[in-house]
This record gives sequence, C-alpha cells and structure tokens, in this order.
Amino acid sequence: NAGVMQNPRHLVRRRGQEARLRCSPMKGHSHVYWYRQLPEEGLKFMVYLQKENIIDESGMPKERFSAEFPKEGPSILRIQQVVRGDSAAYFCASSPLDRGYEQYFGPGTRLTVT
Amino acid sequence: GNSVTQMEGPVTLSEEAFLTINCTYTATGYPSLFWYVQYPGEGLQLLLKATKADDKGSNKGFEATYRKETTSFHLEKGSVQVSDSAVYFCALDRGATGTASKLTFGTGTRLQVTL
Repeated sequence: NAGVMQNPRHLVRRRGQEARLRCSPMKGHSHVYWYRQLPEEGLKFMVYLQKENIIDESGMPKERFSAEFPKEGPSILRIQQVVRGDSAAYFCASSPLDRGYEQYFGPGTRLTVT
Repeated sequence: GNSVTQMEGPVTLSEEAFLTINCTYTATGYPSLFWYVQYPGEGLQLLLKATKADDKGSNKGFEATYRKETTSFHLEKGSVQVSDSAVYFCALDRGATGTASKLTFGTGTRLQVTL
C-alpha cells in the first residue's frame, strides 16, 4: 500500500508566478489535510478537504491560496502570485474516514520563491 | 485555543543515554495526543499516540504517558541510538474520535545522538 504521495518534491518559482502542489492520499483514505512548515517552526494547519468539499479552511490565507480535492485525481494546493514569504515546506496528510485523528503524512513539497 | 509547548532544542546526547523531551498542552475538552518524528528530508511519521488520560503510547522503545493533571505528554526513551537523530513534534487534536480533525503541533525538538 503506497503512502501519501506528493509532487513535486522541490519547486522553485519567481515572485508573481503560480505554484501548484499535488497530493495523492493513501488508498482508502477520504480526508486530506494541508499543512505549512516555515523554517525552524512547527507545522501549521491550512485546510481540510473531502472529495469535492472543503470542510475547514480556517488556516488558509484569505488571498492567493486555494485548495481542491476533485472526484478524480489528486488534491491540489494552488498559490497564485507567489511572494518570498510563501517559501516553506508544504505537507499533505490523509486519514481514514473512521479515524480522523490518525493522519499519515507525505514527504512534502519544498517551495522556494526567488 | 489549543496550543502545544515543547522544550527547545537541539538536544544532544551520547548513544545509549536516556532521553526526555518535554511537552505540555493547552486544550478544551479531551484531546488526543501524539508524537511525530521527522527524519531529514522526509515527512512526518506518527511515532505514538494516546487518546485518553493515563494512556501510555509506545513504539520503537519510545513511550509517553497522557497526564491530564499536569497537561503533559513527555517523550522518553531509555537508550537512544544514532538512528534516532531527528526532529520530534508533539501534537494534539480536538479529540472527537472518528471525526476528522486538524492537528496542532509544537515547534519541534531536534535530537542529535552521537557515538
């Protein structure tokens, strides 16, 4: 059973460009979470999604950031018009329907904005 | 709101030394508590968990006991190895078993084990 997969592992964008981060949950998992880790800090919750639904986006910046989890395909975290402060590691996690507290993390995407 | 406080690192130990990483929390209700480990260049791995007071989570020689009276969940290991070198994160969730939840993490404690 493959774990949570994220791609790309490393992404470099210039200021003003768009960044798209992808996450494929573990097989059988219906919940996806996105977290951001700034240098030397812990992970901060951004958004929680089920298929075709955003359940909780209380940690997501109001502008430039969006997330989706379509019926088919991976979950996407999209950052428009990136700025240097967006440089961070973005982690995706997934959990089974009946054990939402048990989250399995992907290897992360390290975004660098130049 | 919920919060997690961990001891600052880095923690440097010799192989076979005893490890304690302190973690205290603030939360409403009855959260579940977790320790995650992050090896260099990798994502977080669940190390152990405890879902109610006085529960002891254990895995790979690590253990932590959920102490509601002191709101603590300290991580311990009797004899560390070089391969234990990593960053350790304490975390909690809302504790509503069976429902999805967002985890609240501490800032992490870096452990360096030397020969």
